[in-house]
Amino acid sequence: QSALTQPRSVSGSPGQSVTISCTGTSSDVGGWNYVSWYQQHPGKAPKLMIYAVNKRSSGVPDGFSGSKSGNTASLTISGLQAEHEADYYCCSYAGGYTYVFGTGTRVTVL
Amino acid sequence: EVQLVESGGGLIQPGESLRLSCAASGFSVGTKYMIWVRQAPGKGLEWVSILYAGGTTDYADSVKGRFTISRDNSKNTLYLQMNRLAVEDTAVYYCARGGDVHNFDCWGPGTLVTVSS
Repeated sequence: QSALTQPRSVSGSPGQSVTISCTGTSSDVGGWNYVSWYQQHPGKAPKLMIYAVNKRSSGVPDGFSGSKSGNTASLTISGLQAEHEADYYCCSYAGGYTYVFGTGTRVTVL
Repeated sequence: EVQLVESGGGLIQPGESLRLSCAASGFSVGTKYMIWVRQAPGKGLEWVSILYAGGTTDYADSVKGRFTISRDNSKNTLYLQMNRLAVEDTAVYYCARGGDVHNFDCWGPGTLVTVSS
């Protein structure tokens, strides 16, 4: 049950796009199309943004998109805005009844 | 409105026990899979435990044998019984509701558990 690997931080200017990677193994990310992404602002609970690799949760703007290739999933934020500055976590179903989260990525809007 | 609210956190000494509660509204905990996730200070999210609607449970290796997840359908509440607590169990504990496709679509605000002598 090792955490999925994410970059510690990514940054971009308003209006730009940033992509966050989430690398696991064939037992989790690569084995299932059940990767979800969560946004967490400081002191707040996580919020579901993307599920099943590329499906946006209700109310999430279309500037957020997800994809997967092999053992690596990605979250792209297009049209970066100040309110997108937060921590982002991926999560993958890992078979059986277990799940594993990523290490988390801080998105900074310059 | 779907809502989750955790309670039961606090300051506790190593080796002691604590039970967290997660009160649900807007849906029935017995009809969804529910999880506990924790976040140590300044750290990332860690999946702790899951309880399926059918009653199946599972735990992270770090808490297996010490923590027990359960629910009371009549109170619409999820629980996490934590025994033999250690300093490394210090974290904000969140409960969350399972969505349709292996995701967690509603989270509580969390409750802080501090294990310290």
